[in-house]
Amino acid sequence: EIVMTQSPATLSVSPGERATLSCRASQSVSSNLAWYQQKPGQAPRLLIYGASTRATGIPARFSGSGSGTEFTLTISSLQSEDFAVYYCQQYNNWPHTFGQGTKLEIK
Amino acid sequence: EVQLLESGGGLVQPGGSLRLSCAASGFTFSSYAMSWVRQAPGKGLEWVSAISGSGGSTYYADSVKGRFTISRDNSKNTLYLQMNSLRAEDTAVYYCAKDLFLLGLIVTVFDYWGQGTLVTVSS
Repeated sequence: EIVMTQSPATLSVSPGERATLSCRASQSVSSNLAWYQQKPGQAPRLLIYGASTRATGIPARFSGSGSGTEFTLTISSLQSEDFAVYYCQQYNNWPHTFGQGTKLEIK
Repeated sequence: EVQLLESGGGLVQPGGSLRLSCAASGFTFSSYAMSWVRQAPGKGLEWVSAISGSGGSTYYADSVKGRFTISRDNSKNTLYLQMNSLRAEDTAVYYCAKDLFLLGLIVTVFDYWGQGTLVTVSS
């Protein structure tokens, strides 16, 4: 099973600043990597797939990069609605696995 | 508008069984793979099981293999998860989720999620 490790566990950033979230795979997942956002009491929301393709309706301030084992989600200028938990997920090898999440909190 | 509505959750004793349903609308159900994803209280997401659009292919997480069965009825636009031999560690909110790609094949990139149904396994 591929283990997805996200860092940091918690990230404190001020509104308007840039946030960089990392996701590492225990073996290569090519570009088969998605990012989701989850707010308390809500279902997750797809942000990025194919490591760098924004899903429909996702603002341009969200961007994804990486391939193989190292991936990054960048939020260029944090808005109040961006504070949430973010998960990466690989869909290259069965079972398809999620990272443990990064909580993005207001500094 | 795509809608996914889960039902069937509740309190069950260890060793018991439960069947979850997910009623889908707003898209051509048979053209998309579907999955179940769960989230234990205060924990992260765990993919549980997936099924292709036709129902001919299924996959399971090791943690549920042999105990859970995923199925679908395309005539009723409904996804199911039969859960047997339930354990305390199966306690979670169970989400059904729709694959993004119009392939019928299983990719597990999820563009729509239901609101979830809570399953509690406890004596």
